[in-house]
Amino acid sequence: NAGVTQTPKFQVLKTGQSMTLQCAQDMNHNSMYWYRQDPGMGLRLIYYSASEGTTDKGEVPNGYNVSRLNKREFSLRLESAAPSQTSVYFCASTVGGPYGYTFGSGTRLTVV
Amino acid sequence: GQQLNQSPQSMFIQEGEDVSMNCTSSSIFNTWLWYKQDPGEGPVLLIALYKAGELTSNGRLTAQFGITRKDSFLNISASIPSDVGIYFCAGPTGGTSYGKLTFGQGTILTVHP
Repeated sequence: NAGVTQTPKFQVLKTGQSMTLQCAQDMNHNSMYWYRQDPGMGLRLIYYSASEGTTDKGEVPNGYNVSRLNKREFSLRLESAAPSQTSVYFCASTVGGPYGYTFGSGTRLTVV
Repeated sequence: GQQLNQSPQSMFIQEGEDVSMNCTSSSIFNTWLWYKQDPGEGPVLLIALYKAGELTSNGRLTAQFGITRKDSFLNISASIPSDVGIYFCAGPTGGTSYGKLTFGQGTILTVHP
């Protein structure tokens, strides 16, 4: 029972490069989320998908795009990476509502 | 938007000591959640509080939902080395149907054996 799987675990990008962070859950959850974690700032919501076929902006969406590929998968894309996007990115899912979040183990991204 | 302020930002304690941390908000929350993040992992839910004044325990952990609904407290008794990690408070924002959470900045706990 894998829960929420994120790939890759680590990534180094050069400024201006693009990449996609992958997230998949095997719990048949309806809602999925992308957060970023920066020191001293907690976790901040980037984008979320309340249900398959819908996506919405969170608190810090600039510089990111998302795709809810199907019920299981929710990807985060950086089109032109910037040093300010150096962070740890977490994907999470819930069956619905804010209770019972399951987080992935994170992707540590460094943009140089 | 809603903000949650946690204190202290970090704590260095000896094994066996009790720990207290709190979380405050300028806005009312109807639910308070406490998460723990182990190094290199995602946060895991410790305790959920749903009613003002509620006091809930989970083993050595006890959390309280403040009467004003603008604060919450987490206590850890008789700390052990595996309590090391970052503790976050969180609350739902934008209506519970969307499942969005606002997190505090976190309290980093270090336990010396």
